[in-house]
Amino acid sequence: DAGVTQSPTHLIKTRGQQVTLRCSPKSGHDTVSWYQQALGQGPQFIFQYYEEEERQRGNFPDRFSGHQFPNYSSELNVNALLLGDSALYLCASSSTVDTQYFGPGTRLTVL
Amino acid sequence: AQSVTQPDIHITVSEGASLELRCNYSYGATPYLFWYVQSPGQGLQLLLKYFSGDTLVQGIKGFEAEFKRSQSSFNLRKPSVHWSDAAEYFCAVGADFGTASKLTFGTGTRLQVTL
Repeated sequence: DAGVTQSPTHLIKTRGQQVTLRCSPKSGHDTVSWYQQALGQGPQFIFQYYEEEERQRGNFPDRFSGHQFPNYSSELNVNALLLGDSALYLCASSSTVDTQYFGPGTRLTVL
Repeated sequence: AQSVTQPDIHITVSEGASLELRCNYSYGATPYLFWYVQSPGQGLQLLLKYFSGDTLVQGIKGFEAEFKRSQSSFNLRKPSVHWSDAAEYFCAVGADFGTASKLTFGTGTRLQVTL
């Protein structure tokens, strides 16, 4: 049984560009949450998707958007990249009867 | 608003010694509490969780944690540390609805194990 998977593993972009990160949830999970982890910090909640809709959102600007597909996989999009967006982006999947399990993350570097 | 404080940024213990990592939380209702471990460059692995019931919870890899409501604490313990336990440890608290709620994390404690 595959756990949470994320792609790509690493990504390098320049300021002003746009990026899309992808996440496939653990089998049996229907909820996907995205977190940003800056270097030396704990993860910070970006938003959560359930039934293809954004259910909760953290304190992140509208440049951060997402999508959930019918198969429960999800994408995180970030527009107009800033240097401060450089971080490890973690995806977590869960369900109403199971807690959040995290993927290995995507390391985004903005130059 | 919910918050988590991990007072110790960095802890060093000798292999075989006992370990206690501190976690204090702020939350208005009964919290959902978690400990995760992160190896360098990796994602987070769930060690254990507390929702209700017995305040002493057992997790994987020989870890346990005790929920103390009066102290707003959820400290992680291990009786005998192994060199492979060296990693970053994060305490987290869940919001007020269900297990699928957002998590608020502390800043983490980096554990170094000396041989």
